[in-house]
Amino acid sequence: QSALTQPASVSGSPGQSITISCPGTSSDVGSYNLVSWYQQHPGKAPKLMIYEGSKRPSGVSNRFSGSKSGNTASLTISGLQAEDEADYYCCSYAGSSTWVFGGGTKLTVL
Amino acid sequence: QITLKESGPTLVKPTQTLTLTCTFSGFSLSTSGVGVGWIRQPPGKALEWLALIYWDDDKYYSPSLKSRLTITKDTSKDQVVLTMTNMDPVDTATYFCAHKPVAGAYFDFWGQGTLLTVSS
Repeated sequence: QSALTQPASVSGSPGQSITISCPGTSSDVGSYNLVSWYQQHPGKAPKLMIYEGSKRPSGVSNRFSGSKSGNTASLTISGLQAEDEADYYCCSYAGSSTWVFGGGTKLTVL
Repeated sequence: QITLKESGPTLVKPTQTLTLTCTFSGFSLSTSGVGVGWIRQPPGKALEWLALIYWDDDKYYSPSLKSRLTITKDTSKDQVVLTMTNMDPVDTATYFCAHKPVAGAYFDFWGQGTLLTVSS
């Protein structure tokens, strides 16, 4: 059970869209539509942004969307805002009630 | 409103055993399908899932840490306890507990985290 691979960093200008990839394996991302995404600002607890691949919890902006293709999950943020600058983590159910997180991606809003 | 809060020592010595407590409110760990998990984050590094306990006392652990972890619950106190043996400086991290909802494979509410340093 290895950590999911995420790009270390992505950046975009206000108003633009960015996508963060989360490549997994056939044992985790590819086997289940159970990827969640978390936003974490410095010194804060992670916040759930997407669950079950593409569902948004109540209160999360519709600028955040999730998808999956094969063994890779993705998070897209449209209409970038300064407040979106944070670290983002993907997390996949890996079977037998275990989970695996990604290495995290630092989003910089230019 | 669901809240969780971690508590425990801020410093332990190498080889010691760590005991962390997660005290929660707003849900019952007697409700079918509910779980409480532990996740940690070394300074400047990524999140790592450690363990989860279900309402029915089923327990699951990270394969890489399974031999060192024990998770238990006290439903009457609304608490979940994580113990980790043989602590090492690489275990220095912020430890979070989080709520897993019924029929959900994700963590929707998190505690604020507690920073633990392992040092002699």
